[in-house]
Amino acid sequence: EPEVTQTPSHQVTQMGQEVILRCVPISNHLYFYWYRQILGQKVEFLVSFYNNEISEKSEIFDDQFSVERPDGSNFTLKIRSTKLEDSAMYFCASNGRVTGELFFGEGSRLTVL
Amino acid sequence: AQSVAQPEDQVNVAEGNPLTVKCTYSVSGNPYLFWYVQYPNRGLQFLLKYITGDNLVKGSYGFEAEFNKSQTSFHLKKPSALVSDSALYFCAVSPSGGYALNFGKGTSLLVTP
Repeated sequence: EPEVTQTPSHQVTQMGQEVILRCVPISNHLYFYWYRQILGQKVEFLVSFYNNEISEKSEIFDDQFSVERPDGSNFTLKIRSTKLEDSAMYFCASNGRVTGELFFGEGSRLTVL
Repeated sequence: AQSVAQPEDQVNVAEGNPLTVKCTYSVSGNPYLFWYVQYPNRGLQFLLKYITGDNLVKGSYGFEAEFNKSQTSFHLKKPSALVSDSALYFCAVSPSGGYALNFGKGTSLLVTP
């Protein structure tokens, strides 16, 4: 069964450092997303990406965040200068059509010290 | 703003008994409602969605949900619970009809043998 894969599974970084989280969506999917879940809180939408551009983003997704699809397979989330409050589980998701179900990866846990 | 509420942090049910996980919504216009499940150390998995049509929606693993417009509810149900159903369940709403989902805080379901 096709799946969304995310790396790294866990990353520890110092405050102020740049972090890149990587995702490989399902190969024939066209829509890509990042969500995050702070420990003990609900899952929050960050950004959606289609046709090589951001289609929608939340208030959380400020100038410190960026997304990129550098090649035909990877989808990355970059945090330029991490803050303590960026500590969370980050989930990548994809789907093949706008009404299709979302497929989520297993998440990348980011710990900012 | 469109949102969902899950009033129960935890639901306990004995194996073989029916289960209900509650969700109420607050939307303007027609809601797009979803249920996802999260097993330990895994990403979210799609269970079912309501966009339009029949109020009773059937989904994966024997789950179903009933859309009730008068009560603004979208409760998740299963006639006979299994121990393997124990997981974290999230209700979600789409404000835009796309996949910038607003999730509820989640309900932990524990099914005991």
